[in-house]
Amino acid sequence: SQKIEQNSEALNIQEGKTATLTCNYTNYSPAYLQWYRQDPGRGPVFLLLIRENEKEKRKERLKVTFDTTLKQSLFHITASQPADSATYLCALTMNNNAGNMLTFGGGTRLMVKP
Amino acid sequence: DAGVTQSPTHLIKTRGQHVTLRCSPISGHKSVSWYQQVLGQGPQFIFQYYEKEERGRGNFPDRFSARQFPNYSSELNVNALLLGDSALYLCASSGGQGSFTDTQYFGPGTRLTVL
Repeated sequence: SQKIEQNSEALNIQEGKTATLTCNYTNYSPAYLQWYRQDPGRGPVFLLLIRENEKEKRKERLKVTFDTTLKQSLFHITASQPADSATYLCALTMNNNAGNMLTFGGGTRLMVKP
Repeated sequence: DAGVTQSPTHLIKTRGQHVTLRCSPISGHKSVSWYQQVLGQGPQFIFQYYEKEERGRGNFPDRFSARQFPNYSSELNVNALLLGDSALYLCASSGGQGSFTDTQYFGPGTRLTVL
């Protein structure tokens, strides 16, 4: 079955640096992949969606890449700020016998230090 | 505009009891999905409903059930609670035709503790 893996260890970086988070998946390549941000005690917030025919997508300081050969997506935050500290989740759509489902990775916690 | 709302915010139950969690989607959204998030893990998909019909079901036991009402609000029911059901239960709504390419808007969640 499809597995989604994100680095479970927290990523600590200095303010102003670029943060890079990784999402790896096994088996088949999804048609699209999503990234969310989650703050403690809150629901996830949608950030970006990238489709299989898009190699890269940008939104302000965020950039997502999607490599279907490596079965990997990278999420970059440039010029990181302490306010970017949160857990970042990747998600993809899978189909089981009961229909489509949105499947999340375990998330990576990002800590940006001033 | 109000976002997705969930009630109650927190809930404490004992093993074997039943619980009902409620979700009101963003006005105009017809799709509602439910997720369980155990501390330190990502959300796990439980159900999706669109136009009052079940569209998807995750790998959860039959103790979990849900329904969607004509006003598109939704309830998640869990019977015979187990300690392992303790988690944050999230509801998400989306517009469009219920595809997961539509932006999912999550509520704040209901924190369920089973003692």
